[in-house]
Amino acid sequence: GAVVSQHPSWVICKSGTSVKIECRSLDFQATTMFWYRQFPKQSLMLMATSNEGSKATYEQGVEKDKFLINHASLTLSTLTVTSAHPEDSSFYICSADTQGSGELFFGEGSRLTVL
Amino acid sequence: DAKTTQPTSMDCAEGRAANLPCNHSTISGNEYVYWYRQIHSQGPQYIIHGLKNNETNEMASLIITEDRKSSTLILPHATLRDTAVYYCIVRARTGNQFYFGTGTSLTVIP
Repeated sequence: GAVVSQHPSWVICKSGTSVKIECRSLDFQATTMFWYRQFPKQSLMLMATSNEGSKATYEQGVEKDKFLINHASLTLSTLTVTSAHPEDSSFYICSADTQGSGELFFGEGSRLTVL
Repeated sequence: DAKTTQPTSMDCAEGRAANLPCNHSTISGNEYVYWYRQIHSQGPQYIIHGLKNNETNEMASLIITEDRKSSTLILPHATLRDTAVYYCIVRARTGNQFYFGTGTSLTVIP
């Protein structure tokens, strides 16, 4: 099946700094990628939809200035958590849409811990 | 928003079939039923999807009722490695958002 890779797998940062998470589709082109956040013992919450070459669409309640999403190419989308605070500590997961199969392929996730 | 309801948790004996139900009474005609599972601290893994016919692959079978308002995922011979949270999701085939509900936490017991 198609492979989606996230980097880094885990990151620890100080409060107030910014962190960038990359999501790559390794063997297919993804016109649409989705970013999710998951807190412990909770389900995945959709944060935003990222379309190649256009601005991301954010879900209600998600701050677009805090969670910057860039989808500059058909194989790469990035999520930047700006001025991170401890409450931003979470498991961030990306997924990529394949036009053909209808399946959504997920990355391995990136665990962010903000001290 | 998630359009599915699932039981919070289920147990299944190792080697037995695990039947996971899902209600999606407001499903639209062009929406598929997808099943994913998530093992702790990993990204979700695709299992199977279908529109209205029953589907089977190497992992599982998907039974969709004739009115499409509910479905059942069947793991024919559950193993300990099948312990995970299973999510049932409805979505039009491509492009639309993919919303997760609360899922069913399946525990396979030795």
